[in-house]
Amino acid sequence: AQKVTQAQTEISVVEKEDVTLDCVYETRDTTYYLFWYKQPPSGELVFLIRRNSFDEQNEISGRYSWNFQKSTSSFNFTITASQVVDSAVYFCALSEGGSGNTGKLIFGQGTTLQVKP
Amino acid sequence: EAQVTQNPRYLITVTGKKLTVTCSQNMNHEYMSWYRQDPGLGLRQIYYSMNVEVTDKGDVPEGYKVSRKEKRNFPLILESPSPNQTSLYFCASSTTPFDRASYGYTFGSGTRLTVV
Repeated sequence: AQKVTQAQTEISVVEKEDVTLDCVYETRDTTYYLFWYKQPPSGELVFLIRRNSFDEQNEISGRYSWNFQKSTSSFNFTITASQVVDSAVYFCALSEGGSGNTGKLIFGQGTTLQVKP
Repeated sequence: EAQVTQNPRYLITVTGKKLTVTCSQNMNHEYMSWYRQDPGLGLRQIYYSMNVEVTDKGDVPEGYKVSRKEKRNFPLILESPSPNQTSLYFCASSTTPFDRASYGYTFGSGTRLTVV
């Protein structure tokens, strides 16, 4: 069965601190995709990153970095030097890419990040 | 600008009054889908469409209808809305899941629906 677990419901940090959001997934497919989305207080879902199962290279984009480890089925997201504007709900999501899949995104429950000034 | 456009952004309606939430994408994506987001339940798929005239149920299809008569539009229809359909709705589009190079979802801005 497919499942995405974000064990951290809420995280509160002070500005400039580094923070890591955890994501653990379950799937039986060998081909799958992992995503991170940001949902600010305004409500829209903002795409942050996509990672394919066949590409374990970690990625850095400015203050954001992602650590994908198939061995532990984890796809963790780190924000370096956090800022107040990073305050949002962050979702990790999984989509299976094998034949017969429906393209459905399986979302984790989300982690609410509060960055205090 | 590549985008998914949902309308309306906010809607308050009464029980039983039919409504349609529109969704349009300008990226020539084959795949479109609807999700609802509820506190404590997260985001769940309502319906999806692999291509024109091809639609199928997601995890929570009861009380909803969709149609895909043209590639760019995928409206969500609530024939007889009930209070338990009060939620935040998102439309999304993507290339097909088999297109490994470019697969990825674009979401609309969301529709906050309240049924009283």
